[in-house]
Amino acid sequence: EIVLTQSPGTLSLSPGERATLSCRASQSVSSSYLAWYQQKPGQAPRLLIYGASSRATGIPDRFSGSGSGTDFTLTISRLEPEDFAVYYCHQYGSSPRTFGQGTKVEIK
Amino acid sequence: EVQLVESGGGLVQPGRSLRLSCAASGFTFDDYAMHWVRQAPGKGLEWVSGISWNSGSIDSADSVKGRFTISRDNAKNSLYLQMSSLRAEDTALYYCAKVAAAAGGPFDSWGQGTLVTVSS
Repeated sequence: EIVLTQSPGTLSLSPGERATLSCRASQSVSSSYLAWYQQKPGQAPRLLIYGASSRATGIPDRFSGSGSGTDFTLTISRLEPEDFAVYYCHQYGSSPRTFGQGTKVEIK
Repeated sequence: EVQLVESGGGLVQPGRSLRLSCAASGFTFDDYAMHWVRQAPGKGLEWVSGISWNSGSIDSADSVKGRFTISRDNAKNSLYLQMSSLRAEDTALYYCAKVAAAAGGPFDSWGQGTLVTVSS
């Protein structure tokens, strides 16, 4: 099983600032099958990034993903008020599919 | 528009069974694999089980193997999760999720979830 470790656990930032979220895998993620989701309280997760760096339909270009192998990053270039949420990475390249434990981006 | 609507959750005693359903619409259901993902209260996401478009391939997390069974009825555009021998640690919001591509991929659509509470 591929274990995904996200850091930091909580990121305290102000609107307009840049957010950098990390996801490290315990072994190489096959073909960069790594996705990022955003989840707000009381809502289902929303797909942001797939294939490590491709934005899902309708996702603003302030969200970007990068990385390969075991190290992946989600960057939010300038935080908007609606971006404060919990973010999860997810690998879907091998079974069992696994998620990171989440990074909470909160308003400073 | 893709819609996934889960139902069947509720309060159940440990050791008992429950069957969850997910009604799908807005896409060609039998073109896509489908999955169940759960989230315990205040916790992160955990993949539970997945089934291919034709039910030919099924996989489940070790934590539910032998207790939970995923199935689908393409004629009814529905996904199911039969849960037995329920434990307190199965308490969670259960989401139905669709993969992004016929060959697999990330989860591009999610339902709103159905809450399962296992307690005496």
